Amino acid sequence: GENVEQHPSTLSVQEGDSAVIKCTYSDSASNYFPWYKQELGKRPQLIIDIRSNVGEKKDQRIAVTLNKTAKHFSLHITETQPEDSAVYFCAALGYSSASKIIFGSGTRLSIRP
Amino acid sequence: DGGITQSPKYLFRKEGQNVTLSCEQNLNHDAMYWYRQDPGQGLRLIYYSQIVNDFQKGDIAEGYSVSREKKESFPLTVTSAQKNPTAFYLCASSVDRGGDTEAFFGQGTRLTVV
Repeated sequence: GENVEQHPSTLSVQEGDSAVIKCTYSDSASNYFPWYKQELGKRPQLIIDIRSNVGEKKDQRIAVTLNKTAKHFSLHITETQPEDSAVYFCAALGYSSASKIIFGSGTRLSIRP
Repeated sequence: DGGITQSPKYLFRKEGQNVTLSCEQNLNHDAMYWYRQDPGQGLRLIYYSQIVNDFQKGDIAEGYSVSREKKESFPLTVTSAQKNPTAFYLCASSVDRGGDTEAFFGQGTRLTVV
């Protein structure tokens, strides 16, 4: 069945350094790839997304890249700050009547001061 | 995210009781989902519905039931058959309109068995 694999499960980086989280999806019909940030006890919040007709998208310190051939996409956070500490989930959604959103298992990002 | 609402935020249940968690969306999204999240863990799919009057079991459906009588509403009932129901429950909705795709979460319901 459809699957999204996310790595790493935990990531610790020095404040100011960059963090990269990678996801691989199995359904070649997927065409929408959102990323969510979940702070402790709160709902996952959409932080950035990318569609299949785009290879890269940036929003200030956050960027997402997509390689449709390899079926993987990545989240890049530059100049990390303490408030970036959270759990990040990737997801994939296909374009079909039977499509449902599939989430990765999450990455716990910790920013060391 | 403001268009999808879960209630209540906190819920306490006695053992042996059924409880129903509410999820409402005004985003005109076709699909709705229920996830369970345990402390420090990821999202586990309980049930999902892609259309009114139809729903599918997810990975951990045992002890739960749902209904989708209206597009806007997807309530989840945690039955007494669910042996370990204490968890954070998240509802989500999504729509795929070709170039206009989106998916959002409700604010969650924290269920505790007392």
